Amino acid sequence: DSGVTQTPKHLITATGQRVTLRCSPRSGDLSVYWYQQSLDQGLQFLIQYYNGEERAKGNILERFSAQQFPDLHSELNLSSLELGDSALYFCASSVGPDTGELFFGEGSRLTVL
Amino acid sequence: GNSVTQMEGPVTLSEEAFLTINCTYTATGYPSLFWYVQYPGEGLQLLLKATKADDKGSNKGFEATYRKETTSFHLEKGSVQVSDSAVYFCALMNSGYSTLTFGKGTMLLVSP
Repeated sequence: DSGVTQTPKHLITATGQRVTLRCSPRSGDLSVYWYQQSLDQGLQFLIQYYNGEERAKGNILERFSAQQFPDLHSELNLSSLELGDSALYFCASSVGPDTGELFFGEGSRLTVL
Repeated sequence: GNSVTQMEGPVTLSEEAFLTINCTYTATGYPSLFWYVQYPGEGLQLLLKATKADDKGSNKGFEATYRKETTSFHLEKGSVQVSDSAVYFCALMNSGYSTLTFGKGTMLLVSP
């Protein structure tokens, strides 16, 4: 158990819909990362927050947004969903902003029909 | 830009065989290098890391040496077990950046 909690574990929705994925980092970790894992693209970095502020942005679509709240949990919002958004979305956390030592949750599997 | 290239899998081995998973990288400067492992149905876990040239990272019988001259960080284990079956990801983090760049992953299947 990494200590990172993600909900929901599985989500099935239709094209055009909007979903929210939630992540609680390990106790004491200030940095939260979101990654998308798919068979064709591999593991793609989406966005990083550190202590409530956006720190780095990767290949995140404009239809996607995220935030980190004062209690350090984070949410990833995916809107106008397309079939290609079907993937496993991982949240990870770390103590500092640039250690490279990330603790991953078990992921949220999104299926868009 | 930064990139990581791993050997394609799956790698299939019998128990107690020697394992090598190749990883090469492209990066400016002096990145830190990592191996992560993903067991079925789980998130990634850090396996080992090395932060400078000639450093050797090791954990659970796995080793990898940071070779700057060949820009490589190959993962090795002397005797694999069925429980080592998983997907292994090589990754780098460049100095001045706070995010990891991952390779595509290499699946390892170990049979009894």
